[in-house]
Amino acid sequence: NAGVTQTPKFRVLKTGQSMTLLCAQDMNHEYMYWYRQDPGMGLRLIHYSVGEGTTAKGEVPDGYNVSRLKKQNFLLGLESAAPSQTSVYFCASSLRTASYNEQFFGPGTRLTVL
Amino acid sequence: GNSVTQMEGPVTLSEEAFLTINCTYTATGYPSLFWYVQYPGEGLQLLLKATKADDKGSNKGFEATYRKETTSFHLEKGSVQVSDSAVYFCALLDSGAGSYQLTFGKGTKLSVIP
Repeated sequence: NAGVTQTPKFRVLKTGQSMTLLCAQDMNHEYMYWYRQDPGMGLRLIHYSVGEGTTAKGEVPDGYNVSRLKKQNFLLGLESAAPSQTSVYFCASSLRTASYNEQFFGPGTRLTVL
Repeated sequence: GNSVTQMEGPVTLSEEAFLTINCTYTATGYPSLFWYVQYPGEGLQLLLKATKADDKGSNKGFEATYRKETTSFHLEKGSVQVSDSAVYFCALLDSGAGSYQLTFGKGTKLSVIP
């Protein structure tokens, strides 16, 4: 049981390049999330998904796209990377519960855009 | 909207000192409250939670009590260890709004010195 895994761990891009970050979970969770973490800003939600084939915008969605074609995978895409997207990206997943919602986090992807 | 405010760090303590990290929140409904911990180079892990007023969450010697009257969820530990050095995030989930998104504070970095 690997939990939440993220690929790649590190990446350096040039401005304008594109890339896709992959998140996978093996806990059969319905909900998945993408966050970015910046110094002094905490974690901010980019996009999330409440089930296979569905996605929704979070707090900071501009410049990113996502897809959830399979329940266990959640992809985050940057079509044209900008230096402002230099950050650490975390994926998380959770069960669909109403009372509380423990999110399980991946180890993160450190992205630098030059 | 929802928001979480944490005391700013960094916080540096000697081993066996008492720890308090303040957290207050603003929410439109009746949120669940969480403390997450991030060890260096890792993703976030749930440390403890409380789902209703006057609940006390506890784990690994850490405690926090959900105080509705003061809208607070302060984290405490009686005797910190070097291994507690990490970044601590307070978060809330307002499931009454029909959303399952966590709102995070900016994080408080704790360093414990021998």
